[in-house]
Amino acid sequence: QQPVQSPQAVILREGEDAVINCSSSKALYSVHWYRQKHGEAPVFLMILLKGGEQKGHDKISASFNEKKQQSSLYLTASQLSYSGTYFCGTEGFNMGNDMRFGAGTRLTVKP
Amino acid sequence: NAGVTQTPKFRILKIGQSMTLQCTQDMNHNYMYWYRQDPGMGLKLIYYSVGAGITDKGEVPNGYNVSRSTTEDFPLRLELAAPSQTSVYFCASSLNGRVTEAFFGQGTRLTVV
Repeated sequence: QQPVQSPQAVILREGEDAVINCSSSKALYSVHWYRQKHGEAPVFLMILLKGGEQKGHDKISASFNEKKQQSSLYLTASQLSYSGTYFCGTEGFNMGNDMRFGAGTRLTVKP
Repeated sequence: NAGVTQTPKFRILKIGQSMTLQCTQDMNHNYMYWYRQDPGMGLKLIYYSVGAGITDKGEVPNGYNVSRSTTEDFPLRLELAAPSQTSVYFCASSLNGRVTEAFFGQGTRLTVV
């Protein structure tokens, strides 16, 4: 029951925008977004809870459409530091508190 | 503040050997997780715990065991190592599961030969 992320990879020039999508086949309680640099641990970006929540900081924001069981991560005016692999993690309504991660989207920002 | 600490950072095992991956956190988090990440892939949940004395299986528990005797520690035991267990293992913790962020350790790179 892993979420599905798209696209698998994207290459940008500095200053360009990107959207990463995350969809699930099950009802979602929360969606987490993380970024992982090569050879490092994943680092938390944000959490969205059910209810059509939207969040953002700096030029990275996300939305959560609970009806469609989808979340999107928006990166605007990309910087070189945005390069990395982005993972969404989803949690459902069962009692297990077990987060599942998507396969990741590799983002490369070039000068 | 140390956060989540994993040891060792690297390890090479022979087929059939056993080992324990250590994970400790100093944030008094209730929830702890073990993930494995194969090259170019996402994170697969092995086991998780919602508190001391409580553990449960994730997606890929076969070949592994865990225990949670204290809030701080969540060791992962590999019995009879197999080449398929070659991976990077991440331990993570969170205060309150689904509504709070997870903090990850730096990972253990395990190779089974």
